[in-house]
Amino acid sequence: GDSVTQMEGPVTLSEEAFLTINCTYTATGYPSLFWYVQYPGEGLQLLLKATKADDKGSNKGFEATYRKETTSFHLEKGSVQVSDSAVYFCALKNAGGTSYGKLTFGQGTILTVHP
Amino acid sequence: KAGVTQTPRYLIKTRGQQVTLSCSPISGHRSVSWYQQTPGQGLQFLFEYFSETQRNKGNFPGRFSGRQFSNSRSEMNVSTLELGDSALYLCASSLTGGRGETQYFGPGTRLLVL
Repeated sequence: GDSVTQMEGPVTLSEEAFLTINCTYTATGYPSLFWYVQYPGEGLQLLLKATKADDKGSNKGFEATYRKETTSFHLEKGSVQVSDSAVYFCALKNAGGTSYGKLTFGQGTILTVHP
Repeated sequence: KAGVTQTPRYLIKTRGQQVTLSCSPISGHRSVSWYQQTPGQGLQFLFEYFSETQRNKGNFPGRFSGRQFSNSRSEMNVSTLELGDSALYLCASSLTGGRGETQYFGPGTRLLVL
């Protein structure tokens, strides 16, 4: 079945540091890829997505490129802020059949940014 | 446009009881998915409804069930609650549940089973 693997956390950075959170996936077919963020006590918010190979999703300074050859979708940000402290989830969604309405998530990466 | 809403936000139940959670999707969205989030298992897919029909189901026991109404609002029910059912239950909606569509999540219902 489909699966997503994220780098082990937690990740602790100083403000303005560079962020990378690795994400690799295994899937049948040709999935869409997503990064969601969860702030304490809240639901998930879409951060960015990519629906085909070599697409780059970007939002709020975060970027991720859909790499089909390496089955990866790594999240990057050039300069993190304290307000970026949250849990980040990589996810995939396949097409049709047993994939209707189903996101498959990685285990989540806790990011803490210190001033 | 109003976001996905879930009620109640918090629930405390005892083992053996049953519980019903409600989800109102974004207007115009016909696909509603439910997820269970726990520290140990992470985010796991429960089921998805579209046009009042369950199209997809995750690997959960039959105690977990759901339904969708003609206005796309959805409910999920857990019968004979167990301690392990304590979790954050998240509802998400999208237009049709398709591959490239964004799912929009509600704030969740936090269930504590004592």
